Amino acid sequence: AQSVTQLGSHVSVSEGALVLLRCNYSSSVPPYLFWYVQYPNQGLQLLLKYTTGATLVKGINGFEAEFKKSETSFHLTKPSAHMSDAAEYFCAVSEWTSGTYKYIFGTGTRLKVLA
Amino acid sequence: EAGVTQFPSHSVIEKGQTVTLRCDPISGHDNLYWYRRVMGKEIKFLLHFVKESKQDESGMPNNRFLAERTGGTYSTLKVQPAELEDSGVYFCASSPLAGVYNEQFFGPGTRLTVL
Repeated sequence: AQSVTQLGSHVSVSEGALVLLRCNYSSSVPPYLFWYVQYPNQGLQLLLKYTTGATLVKGINGFEAEFKKSETSFHLTKPSAHMSDAAEYFCAVSEWTSGTYKYIFGTGTRLKVLA
Repeated sequence: EAGVTQFPSHSVIEKGQTVTLRCDPISGHDNLYWYRRVMGKEIKFLLHFVKESKQDESGMPNNRFLAERTGGTYSTLKVQPAELEDSGVYFCASSPLAGVYNEQFFGPGTRLTVL
């Protein structure tokens, strides 16, 4: 079975600073990786996904993530944090078991942006 | 286009009572998923409907949980009788396709508290 580890349940950055949210996966097959974001009182929203091809994936709101097979990582970055980036971020891998594809999520990282 | 909606947004019940959660997927989405997040832990898969049929219910915790999707539209998740460990946030998601890298669209969740 696949698994996802997100290091740091809470991350604080200053406005304008680099955002780095860490995600490592465990998979015996090529992984399909996702980052979702949840803003307060809203549903999870897809930021970006990696399927095949280019290992640097660009998403919405200036976020990007790089798939590194050798490190089994898919870290999420943004060069300059905005106050509006404050939210909870979830890394996930898509897994086929019991006849269906389903997400395996990490425990989430709550990002706080300091003025 | 309306997103995935869930009702109620919050529910507080006593141990032993019954609660029914409702999910309205995006119109036209044949695939409907239920997930649950227990406080501080990862979001976990519960089950997957394709139209009105259960494709995979391997994540359902036990037989106190019953999910239905009448007519392939909205879905309900009933917990009867509720136990303390059932507390958490229940998310519903839908998608038009169910492939390995197909995006799932999430609702805001129902926060269930069992006292």
